[in-house]
Amino acid sequence: AQSVSQHNHHVILSEAASLELGCNYSYGGTVNLFWYVQYPGQHLQLLLKYFSGDPLVKGIKGFEAEFIKSKFSFNLRKPSVQWSDTAEYFCAAKEGGGADGLTFGKGTHLIIQP
Amino acid sequence: NAGVMQNPRHLVRRRGQEARLRCSPMKGHSHVYWYRQLPEEGLKFMVYLQKENIIDESGMPKERFSAEFPKEGPSILRIQQVVRGDSAAYFCASSPRTLRRNQPQHFGDGTRLSIL
Repeated sequence: AQSVSQHNHHVILSEAASLELGCNYSYGGTVNLFWYVQYPGQHLQLLLKYFSGDPLVKGIKGFEAEFIKSKFSFNLRKPSVQWSDTAEYFCAAKEGGGADGLTFGKGTHLIIQP
Repeated sequence: NAGVMQNPRHLVRRRGQEARLRCSPMKGHSHVYWYRQLPEEGLKFMVYLQKENIIDESGMPKERFSAEFPKEGPSILRIQQVVRGDSAAYFCASSPRTLRRNQPQHFGDGTRLSIL
Protein backbone atom coordinates (compact mmCIF):
# COMPACT_ATOMS: atom_id res chain seq x y z
CA ALA A 1 0.00 0.00 0.00
CA GLN A 2 1.13 3.52 -0.68
CA SER A 3 2.31 5.34 2.40
CA VAL A 4 4.00 8.53 3.54
CA SER A 5 6.22 8.61 6.62
CA GLN A 6 7.24 11.63 8.62
CA HIS A 7 10.02 10.78 10.99
CA ASN A 8 9.59 13.42 13.65
CA HIS A 9 6.26 13.92 15.36
CA HIS A 10 7.43 16.81 17.51
CA VAL A 11 10.30 19.20 16.86
CA ILE A 12 11.34 22.09 19.09
CA LEU A 13 13.79 24.68 17.80
CA SER A 14 14.98 28.12 18.77
CA GLU A 15 14.48 31.09 16.49
CA ALA A 16 17.10 31.39 13.73
CA ALA A 17 17.88 27.68 13.87
CA SER A 18 17.87 25.69 10.64
CA LEU A 19 15.05 23.28 9.99
CA GLU A 20 14.81 19.98 8.20
CA LEU A 21 11.71 17.80 8.42
CA GLY A 22 11.94 14.33 6.97
CA CYS A 23 9.41 12.75 4.61
CA ASN A 24 9.61 9.40 2.82
CA TYR A 25 7.05 7.89 0.48
CA SER A 26 6.51 4.41 -0.87
CA TYR A 27 5.11 5.03 -4.38
CA GLY A 28 6.90 3.09 -7.08
CA GLY A 29 6.00 5.12 -10.14
CA THR A 30 5.60 8.77 -10.99
CA VAL A 31 4.76 10.70 -7.87
CA ASN A 32 3.51 14.17 -7.00
CA LEU A 33 4.65 15.45 -3.61
CA PHE A 34 3.38 18.22 -1.37
CA TRP A 35 4.05 19.94 1.91
CA TYR A 36 1.13 21.53 3.71
CA VAL A 37 1.22 23.66 6.86
CA GLN A 38 -1.55 24.08 9.39
CA TYR A 39 -1.23 27.05 11.75
CA PRO A 40 -3.16 26.79 15.01
CA GLY A 41 -6.87 27.04 14.36
CA GLN A 42 -6.47 27.44 10.62
CA HIS A 43 -6.92 25.34 7.51
CA LEU A 44 -4.17 23.48 5.69
CA GLN A 45 -2.19 25.70 3.36
CA LEU A 46 0.01 24.53 0.54
CA LEU A 47 3.68 25.35 1.20
CA LEU A 48 5.13 23.83 -1.94
CA LYS A 49 4.65 21.07 -4.46
CA TYR A 50 6.68 18.88 -6.76
CA PHE A 51 5.30 17.50 -10.02
CA SER A 52 8.33 17.19 -12.27
CA GLY A 53 11.50 18.99 -13.32
CA ASP A 54 13.93 20.62 -10.92
CA PRO A 55 14.03 18.42 -7.79
CA LEU A 56 14.73 21.44 -5.59
CA VAL A 57 11.42 23.16 -5.05
CA LYS A 58 10.99 26.62 -3.59
CA GLY A 59 7.84 27.39 -1.66
CA ILE A 60 6.29 30.21 0.26
CA LYS A 61 7.67 31.76 3.46
CA GLY A 62 11.26 30.75 2.68
CA PHE A 63 10.65 27.01 2.67
CA GLU A 64 12.15 24.60 0.17
CA ALA A 65 12.13 20.86 -0.36
CA GLU A 66 14.32 18.47 -2.29
CA PHE A 67 12.99 15.44 -4.14
CA ILE A 68 15.55 12.64 -4.03
CA LYS A 69 14.13 9.80 -6.09
CA SER A 70 16.77 7.27 -5.08
CA LYS A 71 15.91 7.79 -1.42
CA PHE A 72 12.14 8.16 -1.92
CA SER A 73 12.44 11.34 0.10
CA PHE A 74 11.05 14.87 -0.01
CA ASN A 75 12.50 16.66 3.01
CA LEU A 76 11.38 20.15 3.94
CA ARG A 77 13.99 22.75 4.82
CA LYS A 78 14.26 26.31 6.00
CA PRO A 79 17.62 27.93 6.78
CA SER A 80 16.39 30.16 9.62
CA VAL A 81 13.07 29.62 11.37
CA GLN A 82 10.90 32.23 13.01
CA TRP A 83 8.51 32.06 15.92
CA SER A 84 5.63 32.39 13.43
CA ASP A 85 6.64 29.06 11.85
CA THR A 86 5.13 27.25 14.83
CA ALA A 87 2.57 24.93 13.21
CA GLU A 88 1.77 21.40 12.13
CA TYR A 89 3.49 20.32 8.91
CA PHE A 90 2.15 17.57 6.69
CA CYS A 91 3.86 15.79 3.84
CA ALA A 92 1.54 14.30 1.20
CA ALA A 93 1.84 12.33 -2.01
CA LYS A 94 -0.21 10.97 -4.86
CA GLU A 95 0.42 9.13 -8.08
CA GLY A 96 1.52 11.49 -10.81
CA GLY A 97 -0.90 12.74 -13.43
CA GLY A 98 -4.17 11.86 -11.75
CA ALA A 99 -6.72 13.85 -9.79
CA ASP A 100 -6.55 11.39 -6.94
CA GLY A 101 -6.83 11.63 -3.21
CA LEU A 102 -3.66 12.47 -1.33
CA THR A 103 -1.88 10.16 1.07
CA PHE A 104 -0.70 12.11 4.09
CA GLY A 105 1.96 11.54 6.67
CA LYS A 106 1.01 11.83 10.33
CA GLY A 107 2.38 15.33 10.59
CA THR A 108 5.17 17.05 12.49
CA HIS A 109 4.32 19.50 15.22
CA LEU A 110 6.95 22.24 15.07
CA ILE A 111 7.42 24.59 18.01
CA ILE A 112 9.73 27.57 17.68
CA GLN A 113 10.89 29.07 20.93
CA PRO A 114 11.60 32.81 20.94
CA ASN B 1 -10.74 33.31 3.85
CA ALA B 2 -9.85 29.73 2.95
CA GLY B 3 -11.96 29.67 -0.20
CA VAL B 4 -13.22 26.16 0.54
CA MET B 5 -16.08 26.60 2.97
CA GLN B 6 -17.02 23.91 5.43
CA ASN B 7 -19.83 23.96 7.94
CA PRO B 8 -20.42 23.53 10.67
CA ARG B 9 -16.99 24.07 12.22
CA HIS B 10 -17.98 22.00 15.23
CA LEU B 11 -20.69 19.37 15.42
CA VAL B 12 -21.78 17.40 18.45
CA ARG B 13 -23.94 14.32 18.11
CA ARG B 14 -25.09 11.53 20.37
CA ARG B 15 -24.49 7.91 19.48
CA GLY B 16 -27.03 6.72 16.94
CA GLN B 17 -27.77 10.14 15.47
CA GLU B 18 -26.92 11.29 11.98
CA ALA B 19 -24.19 13.78 11.12
CA ARG B 20 -24.20 15.90 7.97
CA LEU B 21 -21.09 17.81 7.01
CA ARG B 22 -21.17 20.33 4.20
CA CYS B 23 -18.48 21.56 1.86
CA SER B 24 -18.62 24.29 -0.77
CA PRO B 25 -15.57 24.14 -3.05
CA MET B 26 -13.64 27.17 -4.21
CA LYS B 27 -15.19 29.06 -7.08
CA GLY B 28 -14.35 27.35 -10.36
CA HIS B 29 -13.46 24.05 -8.68
CA SER B 30 -15.39 20.94 -9.59
CA HIS B 31 -13.32 18.27 -7.85
CA VAL B 32 -14.08 17.66 -4.17
CA TYR B 33 -12.21 15.40 -1.76
CA TRP B 34 -13.08 14.40 1.80
CA TYR B 35 -10.46 13.43 4.38
CA ARG B 36 -10.69 12.30 8.00
CA GLN B 37 -8.15 13.07 10.68
CA LEU B 38 -8.28 10.97 13.80
CA PRO B 39 -6.46 12.19 16.94
CA GLU B 40 -2.68 11.90 16.59
CA GLU B 41 -3.05 10.69 13.00
CA GLY B 42 -2.50 12.20 9.58
CA LEU B 43 -5.33 12.92 7.18
CA LYS B 44 -6.82 9.84 5.54
CA PHE B 45 -8.43 10.06 2.14
CA MET B 46 -12.09 9.04 2.11
CA VAL B 47 -13.75 9.93 -1.17
CA TYR B 48 -13.29 11.94 -4.36
CA LEU B 49 -16.27 13.41 -6.18
CA GLN B 50 -17.05 15.48 -9.19
CA LYS B 51 -20.45 17.03 -9.83
CA GLU B 52 -23.06 14.28 -9.50
CA ASN B 53 -20.41 11.54 -9.64
CA ILE B 54 -18.37 9.58 -7.13
CA ILE B 55 -14.99 8.98 -8.74
CA ASP B 56 -13.11 7.16 -5.98
CA GLU B 57 -14.59 6.01 -2.67
CA SER B 58 -11.82 3.58 -1.78
CA GLY B 59 -11.27 5.28 1.59
CA MET B 60 -14.88 5.30 2.71
CA PRO B 61 -16.02 2.89 5.41
CA LYS B 62 -18.37 0.33 3.87
CA GLU B 63 -21.28 1.11 6.14
CA ARG B 64 -22.98 4.23 7.51
CA PHE B 65 -20.90 6.68 5.44
CA SER B 66 -22.03 8.27 2.20
CA ALA B 67 -21.10 11.32 0.14
CA GLU B 68 -22.69 13.30 -2.60
CA PHE B 69 -21.94 16.34 -4.70
CA PRO B 70 -25.15 17.41 -6.40
CA LYS B 71 -25.42 19.56 -9.47
CA GLU B 72 -26.49 22.47 -7.29
CA GLY B 73 -25.31 23.08 -3.76
CA PRO B 74 -22.50 21.87 -1.55
CA SER B 75 -20.99 18.44 -1.21
CA ILE B 76 -22.39 16.52 1.73
CA LEU B 77 -20.66 13.87 3.83
CA ARG B 78 -23.29 11.93 5.71
CA ILE B 79 -22.65 9.62 8.64
CA GLN B 80 -25.59 7.58 9.85
CA GLN B 81 -25.92 6.06 13.32
CA VAL B 82 -22.74 7.67 14.56
CA VAL B 83 -20.48 5.89 17.04
CA ARG B 84 -17.76 7.21 19.33
CA GLY B 85 -15.09 6.13 16.87
CA ASP B 86 -16.45 8.60 14.31
CA SER B 87 -15.15 11.48 16.43
CA ALA B 88 -12.57 13.20 14.26
CA ALA B 89 -11.84 16.25 12.17
CA TYR B 90 -13.26 15.98 8.65
CA PHE B 91 -11.58 18.06 5.98
CA CYS B 92 -12.80 18.90 2.52
CA ALA B 93 -10.52 19.92 -0.32
CA SER B 94 -11.17 21.04 -3.86
CA SER B 95 -9.24 21.40 -7.08
CA PRO B 96 -10.07 23.08 -10.38
CA ARG B 97 -11.95 21.80 -13.38
CA THR B 98 -9.16 21.79 -15.89
CA LEU B 99 -7.56 19.74 -18.59
CA ARG B 100 -4.26 20.03 -16.77
CA ARG B 101 -3.91 17.12 -14.42
CA ASN B 102 -1.42 18.39 -11.90
CA GLN B 103 -3.44 20.67 -9.68
CA PRO B 104 -2.94 21.03 -5.94
CA GLN B 105 -5.84 20.64 -3.58
CA HIS B 106 -7.05 23.54 -1.47
CA PHE B 107 -8.41 22.73 1.96
CA GLY B 108 -11.22 24.04 4.10
CA ASP B 109 -11.07 24.69 7.85
CA GLY B 110 -12.57 21.31 8.67
CA THR B 111 -15.49 20.14 10.78
CA ARG B 112 -14.71 18.80 14.25
CA LEU B 113 -17.20 16.06 14.97
CA SER B 114 -17.64 14.95 18.57
CA ILE B 115 -19.77 11.99 19.52
CA LEU B 116 -21.15 11.86 23.05
